[in-house]
Amino acid sequence: DGGITQSPKYLFRKEGQNVTLSCEQNLNHDAMYWYRQDPGQGLRLIYYSQIVNDFQKGDIAEGYSVSREKKESFPLTVTSAQKNPTAFYLCASSRSWTANTEAFFGQGTRLTVV
Amino acid sequence: AQKITQTQPGMFVQEKEAVTLDCTYDTSDPSYGLFWYKQPSSGEMIFLIYQGSYDQQNATEGRYSLNFQKARKSANLVISASQLGDSAMYFCAMRVLSNTGNQFYFGTGTSLTVIP
Repeated sequence: DGGITQSPKYLFRKEGQNVTLSCEQNLNHDAMYWYRQDPGQGLRLIYYSQIVNDFQKGDIAEGYSVSREKKESFPLTVTSAQKNPTAFYLCASSRSWTANTEAFFGQGTRLTVV
Repeated sequence: AQKITQTQPGMFVQEKEAVTLDCTYDTSDPSYGLFWYKQPSSGEMIFLIYQGSYDQQNATEGRYSLNFQKARKSANLVISASQLGDSAMYFCAMRVLSNTGNQFYFGTGTSLTVIP
């Protein structure tokens, strides 16, 4: 079945540690996105990528980094520079260069700093 | 600037009744797409319905319909015959094609509770 897989579902991190969240898709989509969601709030864009080896900062990129070495994969690293990383992280993908197709989402990763 | 506004933080509806969730948008681009997503407590985002800026008719998908009023820049979601399983967060989103790509812009969401 085609879709987006995020792992792990739950992640605990000690303060000062970097962690990497995985996002893999087999939908052959060019565009991929990372969003952060805090309790009771909407989705805020961290990074997005329209094509392999290229990505753009979103609204809240500070303290995060990404790579897009393969079309299928768009991992997100939460660095120690991110002051308040505890949140729900959603990865999405879509066909690129069109406004009329929806984004497909993964199941999300819930990150907790302990 | 692109913006999506959802002004209803929370809504209640009686089971089997219809409910309208409000969404207004702002963009100067003539070509855009409007989307509604449902997010149950499990956290997954479920795509519900899409409306294109050039579509003449309102979109419908089963019990979901989108009341698209282009001049007012509104794209309200109507859920008919509400069910207990409709209790969730609902997000309105817009996608605009620009020279830097076409990211999605999300509203802050509306929490819908269906009362038995």
